[in-house]
Amino acid sequence: EAQVTQNPRYLITVTGKKLTVTCSQNMNHEYMSWYRQDPGLGLRQIYYSMNVEVTDKGDVPEGYKVSRKEKRNFPLILESPSPNQTSLYFCASSLTSPSRQSSYNSPLHFGNGTRLTVT
Amino acid sequence: AQSVAQPEDQVNVAEGNPLTVKCTYSVSGNPYLFWYVQYPNRGLQFLLKYITGDNLVKGSYGFEAEFNKSQTSFHLKKPSALVSDSALYFCAVRDIRQAGTALIFGKGTTLSVSS
Repeated sequence: EAQVTQNPRYLITVTGKKLTVTCSQNMNHEYMSWYRQDPGLGLRQIYYSMNVEVTDKGDVPEGYKVSRKEKRNFPLILESPSPNQTSLYFCASSLTSPSRQSSYNSPLHFGNGTRLTVT
Repeated sequence: AQSVAQPEDQVNVAEGNPLTVKCTYSVSGNPYLFWYVQYPNRGLQFLLKYITGDNLVKGSYGFEAEFNKSQTSFHLKKPSALVSDSALYFCAVRDIRQAGTALIFGKGTTLSVSS
């Protein structure tokens, strides 16, 4: 089954304790992205990757890191989490990079989300 | 700058009645427009998109959306609502002239369909 898999689904941690949220897709997608969803703010992009070893900041990258060493995986790293990073996080992928004119219409496929609480 | 507005936080409709979820957008060029739906404890699912061509776009689960360039709107519609349509709906836009830009999402509209 084609899917985007995030782990864990729920995570409670304390301020300053490094954590990683994993994301894997089995659709051979080039483009992957991380979003956070907060009430009243919709979805905001954190980081994205157009292909292996290519990553770029989104709208709200502060406090986050990502890596793209393999095409299928795109982990989100919080080196020193803070309470304002408490949120619902989504990983997404699409067939081709949005940087190509012809691929702008590729829909995003989302994971089921990771609810993170930082105390 | 690109932006998307969903003016209603919540839409309530009775089962069997038509529904409309509103979306307006702002881009400097021509838009690519999308609707996504989010069910509880799930990620967003793609419903439909407008790229070019017919202003009325048909998508999954009987939903359709009408692109109106003069009003810069892309309202989501369904002729007859089902209780199972209750969910959070997001409109999103991308400016086709801006290379590498992300999909910009609205804040979402909660649709509640009563039986």
